Amino acid sequence: GAVVSQHPSRVICKSGTSVKIECRSLDFQATTMFWYRQFPKKSLMLMATSNEGSKATYEQGVEKDKFLINHASLTLSTLTVTSAHPEDSSFYICSAWTGLNTEAFFGQGTRLTVV
Amino acid sequence: SQQGEEDPQALSIQEGENATMNCSYKTSINNLQWYRQNSGRGLVHLILIRSNEREKHSGRLRVTLDTSKKSSSLLITASRAADTASYFCATQNSGGYQKVTFGTGTKLQVIP
Repeated sequence: GAVVSQHPSRVICKSGTSVKIECRSLDFQATTMFWYRQFPKKSLMLMATSNEGSKATYEQGVEKDKFLINHASLTLSTLTVTSAHPEDSSFYICSAWTGLNTEAFFGQGTRLTVV
Repeated sequence: SQQGEEDPQALSIQEGENATMNCSYKTSINNLQWYRQNSGRGLVHLILIRSNEREKHSGRLRVTLDTSKKSSSLLITASRAADTASYFCATQNSGGYQKVTFGTGTKLQVIP
């Protein structure tokens, strides 16, 4: 199957700093990328949907100024957690999608710990 | 937001038995997908069933879809210890930007 590379896999940062997470589709072009957040032993919560070259669509309750999403090309989307706080600690997963009625391909996730 | 709910939340069976997980969802969909997640890892796609399909097979997996009841089931036959994982259904909604949202998940434990 297609490969989505998510980087970094783990990051620890101090409160108040910003962290950028990258999601790359390695061998295909993704028209849409989804960003999810997963709390321990919970399901994936959709945070936002990004389309290349346009603004991301955020789910209700997700602060767009805190979670900045940039979909600069058909193979790269980034999520920046700005002014991180301990409550932002979580597992963040991206997925790339090539079109209707196709599977979404997932990155391996990023475990963010804010201390 | 959560689109679906899965039932049961947790399931423990003996190796060799069949495991059945159910998923219910709320809105109209283009397709429904099942994913597997090992503890703390990324997701692995298992199977996709389109809204005009009723049943699909892949190896030891059988998925059914009932759009009138807005429900789906995943059957794993002849389970193995290596099947121990969390299983999620995900729906791609129709209309709008076809976002993919996940159910609450079933944690399956297969005892050797």
